[in-house]
Amino acid sequence: AQKITQTQPGMFVQEKEAVTLDCTYDTSDPSYGLFWYKQPSSGEMIFLIYQGSYDQQNATEGRYSLNFQKARKSANLVISASQLGDSAMYFCAMSYTGNQFYFGTGTSLTVIP
Amino acid sequence: DVKVTQSSRYLVKRTGEKVFLECVQDMDHENMFWYRQDPGLGLRLIYFSYDVKMKEKGDIPEGYSVSREKKERFSLILESASTNQTSMYLCASSLGRRSTEAFFGQGTRLTVV
Repeated sequence: AQKITQTQPGMFVQEKEAVTLDCTYDTSDPSYGLFWYKQPSSGEMIFLIYQGSYDQQNATEGRYSLNFQKARKSANLVISASQLGDSAMYFCAMSYTGNQFYFGTGTSLTVIP
Repeated sequence: DVKVTQSSRYLVKRTGEKVFLECVQDMDHENMFWYRQDPGLGLRLIYFSYDVKMKEKGDIPEGYSVSREKKERFSLILESASTNQTSMYLCASSLGRRSTEAFFGQGTRLTVV
């Protein structure tokens, strides 16, 4: 069964605007971690941000923030002030113990000048 | 700087050939993974290893095998390459704790002709 769902295959955003990339997950385990990765056209996977299931506050890393709604089982990535270099594939992932990571199908983000 | 290094960025192999994809990490991580990435399907786990000589099947192990003789090295083997194994292959490693991310190599784009 799909554990991570990303429903937006492609998104467009104007430069300097904010954009939200959706991620929902499915688990009955109370302890888990949620991750977002960026994959530019060069192919490498770049870790962006982490949210633990017990964390009370939403994670933030510079222009990235994670809108964590535990009851809805959603972990949306918010990118503020989009830049041309943000154009990439973005993947949401979940891990229970760090021994396995479950990835979504990804969202392709294009930033328009 | 932490590093996961895959031996090749691009490979072209013939149908029926035995193919070796090598991955080395310098972070002393217990866990190592091989994923396959295809458009619209996200990252799918082929195999992972949580210790030397230990391995576990992922979601799509058919047609693949792995070897982990040393902690830092994890090899993916295509016993008899087929055209449907043309894909991007990503190696990753992790510390094995819930809050720690997986680190990825640069990827190997394999074409089987």
